[in-house]
Amino acid sequence: GNSVTQMEGPVTLSEEAFLTINCTYTATGYPSLFWYVQYPGEGLQLLLKATKADDKGSNKGFEATYRKETTSFHLEKGSVQVSDSAVYFCALRGSSSGSARQLTFGSGTQLTVLP
Amino acid sequence: GAVVSQHPSRVICKSGTSVKIECRSLDFQATTMFWYRQFPKQSLMLMATSNEGSKATYEQGVEKDKFLINHASLTLSTLTVTSAHPEDSSFYICSVAGLAGLRGGNEQFFGPGTRLTVL
Repeated sequence: GNSVTQMEGPVTLSEEAFLTINCTYTATGYPSLFWYVQYPGEGLQLLLKATKADDKGSNKGFEATYRKETTSFHLEKGSVQVSDSAVYFCALRGSSSGSARQLTFGSGTQLTVLP
Repeated sequence: GAVVSQHPSRVICKSGTSVKIECRSLDFQATTMFWYRQFPKQSLMLMATSNEGSKATYEQGVEKDKFLINHASLTLSTLTVTSAHPEDSSFYICSVAGLAGLRGGNEQFFGPGTRLTVL
């Protein structure tokens, strides 16, 4: 079955530091890959996505590149802000028709950015 | 994306009572709705998938008689936690998806979640 392995947290950084959160996946076929962000007490918000190999998703300064050869989708940001403090989830959606909409989530990584 | 609301956002109830949580898709025809639960500092666990007008499909280990799901229309799904107990305390999140090829297609749009505390 599909699975997502995500870098364990928590991660604590100083403002303007570089961020990397690792994510690798196991899936058959050609899944779509996502990063979601969850702020305290709220539901998930889609941060970025990539639907095919070598695609780069980007939003709000965050980037992730779909690497099929390494089955990875690492999240990066060059300069984090205090407002980026949240939990980040890597997720995939399978390509087979039976799992067309079902998402598989990683365990989440808590990010805290200190001023 | 779609705007999804959940009501209530927070509920506290006594053990043994039933609690209904609503998930509404405000501007999107949600042919499929998903219900997740999330324990503190853990990932989302899919509980069930429901298609409008059909019975929900529950994930392994989720009691369908305890977690009743109704998806009566394209804009509303409800999750009822029957005879709630303290171990049911959790954060419940719904998401919606539309028909492939149409607006939103296979994308999931998430509600803000409902915090359930059972005393």
